[in-house]
Amino acid sequence: GQNIDQPTEMTATEGAIVQINCTYQTSGFNGLFWYQQHAGEAPTFLSYNVLDGLEEKGRFSSFLSRSKGYSYLLLKELQMKDSASYLCAVRDMGYSTLTFGKGTMLLVSP
Amino acid sequence: GAGVSQSPSNKVTEKGKDVELRCDPISGHTALYWYRQSLGQGLEFLIYFQGNSAPDKSGLPSDRFSAERTGGSVSTLTIQRTQQEDSAVYLCASSFPGAGGTFEQYFGPGTRLTVT
Repeated sequence: GQNIDQPTEMTATEGAIVQINCTYQTSGFNGLFWYQQHAGEAPTFLSYNVLDGLEEKGRFSSFLSRSKGYSYLLLKELQMKDSASYLCAVRDMGYSTLTFGKGTMLLVSP
Repeated sequence: GAGVSQSPSNKVTEKGKDVELRCDPISGHTALYWYRQSLGQGLEFLIYFQGNSAPDKSGLPSDRFSAERTGGSVSTLTIQRTQQEDSAVYLCASSFPGAGGTFEQYFGPGTRLTVT
């Protein structure tokens, strides 16, 4: 089975840096995804990690440690539009389904 | 190009009625997924179709739920004898699991189902 944990809520101020952590315990592992979901909208893909290390993509970076079952999403130079839910998801062996965490609601204030 | 589309966007139904939710995946995507998202909960996997293979139904919560995918494209999720606990947003996603790549899933806007 899969168990994915991430904080329920986080707050930060515009221009700051925030790190959203995700820990997982899975029977198999074939990649970890981060998605962003604005209220009332569909999740959109942010990042993918399958090997240990940091993947950087503009203001967003994602880190993975497979031995620790740990990932984080780092958001720099926060903007108001970054207020959203951030979903951590793990793919089991093979290339089929994802198991999602409950998401972290990030509120960015002025 | 066009993304994943779902219809209807909202559905209100009475307890005990049957409902059908539709998903049109991105053209060329061979994999299609259905998820359910309840208030305050994460996305819950329901069913997965890949090409002509038998679907992975391991996430369907009861035998009132079923799904089919016709011609390897459009999919319909059917919920029979709806219950109030079925109220949720039903999300469809598609992906192209070809060689290489992340096989990321592209989500549709969802159908918000309310059972009264």
